[in-house]
Amino acid sequence: NAGVTQTPKFQVLKTGQSMTLQCAQDMNHNSMYWYRQDPGMGLRLIYYSASEGTTDKGEVPNGYNVSRLNKREFSLRLESAAPSQTSVYFCASSVSLGGYTFGSGTRLTVV
Amino acid sequence: AQRVTQPEKLLSVFKGAPVELKCNYSYSGSPELFWYVQYSRQRLQLLLRHISRESIKGFTADLNKGETSFHLKKPFAQEEDSAMYYCALSGNSGNTPLVFGKGTRLSVIA
Repeated sequence: NAGVTQTPKFQVLKTGQSMTLQCAQDMNHNSMYWYRQDPGMGLRLIYYSASEGTTDKGEVPNGYNVSRLNKREFSLRLESAAPSQTSVYFCASSVSLGGYTFGSGTRLTVV
Repeated sequence: AQRVTQPEKLLSVFKGAPVELKCNYSYSGSPELFWYVQYSRQRLQLLLRHISRESIKGFTADLNKGETSFHLKKPFAQEEDSAMYYCALSGNSGNTPLVFGKGTRLSVIA
């Protein structure tokens, strides 16, 4: 099993460009999440999807949109990238009770 | 509001010494507490959860509701324990997304 797969692993964007981070899980998990990891800030929740067809904002949703395409896939879109969005992005999935499985992360740099 | 505080950004200990990574939380309901670990250039992985009351890689953590703490302990540190450790909380008996602390980097010195 691949677990949680994120693409791309690395990306450099210019300010104002858009891009979509892809995430797919093959564990039949109901819930999926997007976090960003910044030095000294830990992991902060951007958006989550408790089940297929639902999405909710997390702690830092501004500048992002998400799509729960189906049970397997949960994408994160940056419509107009800003330098403040330079970060490492992690996708995760879970059945319940905090047992998250994380992807390997996407390192995004906005110049 | 849910909040997790890890007061130490960096903790350095010698190999064989005891380790305690501190975690305090703020939540008025019934929390579920977790420790996640991130080794260098690897993805985050679940280390342990308080409801399991298990020991993983020699680490244990006890939930102290009176002190609102969930400190991670290991009696004898090993070099391979060097990593970033995150304490996390899920409220509503585990039905809300995890809130993470800012993390503590553990460095075990040979």
